[in-house]
Amino acid sequence: DAKTTQPNSMESNEEEPVHLPCNHSTISGTDYIHWYRQLPSQGPEYVIHGLTSNVNNRMASLAIAEDRKSSTLILHRATLRDAAVYYCILSRTSSNTGKLIFGQGTTLQVKP
Amino acid sequence: KAGVTQTPRYLIKTRGQQVTLSCSPISGHRSVSWYQQTPGQGLQFLFEYFSETQRNKGNFPGRFSGRQFSNSRSEMNVSTLELGDSALYLCASSWGTALNTEAFFGQGTRLTVV
Repeated sequence: DAKTTQPNSMESNEEEPVHLPCNHSTISGTDYIHWYRQLPSQGPEYVIHGLTSNVNNRMASLAIAEDRKSSTLILHRATLRDAAVYYCILSRTSSNTGKLIFGQGTTLQVKP
Repeated sequence: KAGVTQTPRYLIKTRGQQVTLSCSPISGHRSVSWYQQTPGQGLQFLFEYFSETQRNKGNFPGRFSGRQFSNSRSEMNVSTLELGDSALYLCASSWGTALNTEAFFGQGTRLTVV
């Protein structure tokens, strides 16, 4: 399974944009990039996913490098509710399985 | 629509006992995956079921088992409980696979083994 590397923690101020980086240098052409987050005392929550092109949804944007060896999750205006552990995950479409491999993630603190 | 429901939410068991946890996926979802979360190891994949068949299994001992019923509801069982099995057990469901669709997680079952 391809591995991802994320910073252990990041801080942001409320209402400012946040860029959460993820390195995945061993990504293969069929790996999707997923982002999930886990708020305290809750199960993980889907944020966004993509394959090659940048993706936007109501929660965030996903910027994928041209060589796909890194990606960045962008929260456009951080709120206190965005304080969570953010996981960058790769999944291999060719293996016909729903297995998600979680790393240690990035703990995001949002300061008022 | 209703989310993923896990029961019970909290459980205390004694070493050596066995336990069964239940997961009801979102209606229409056929894939159910189970994860164990501990402070030391983080989130680890246990197994995945799709249309009543186990499609993948993580690196856990045989004491951990699961099954899926025809209505997609899933159960996982842990026999001969050990103190190290204390963890948050999470279930996730998705329409197809979690590879290219969104997986929805339940709130988990907090198991404490004493």
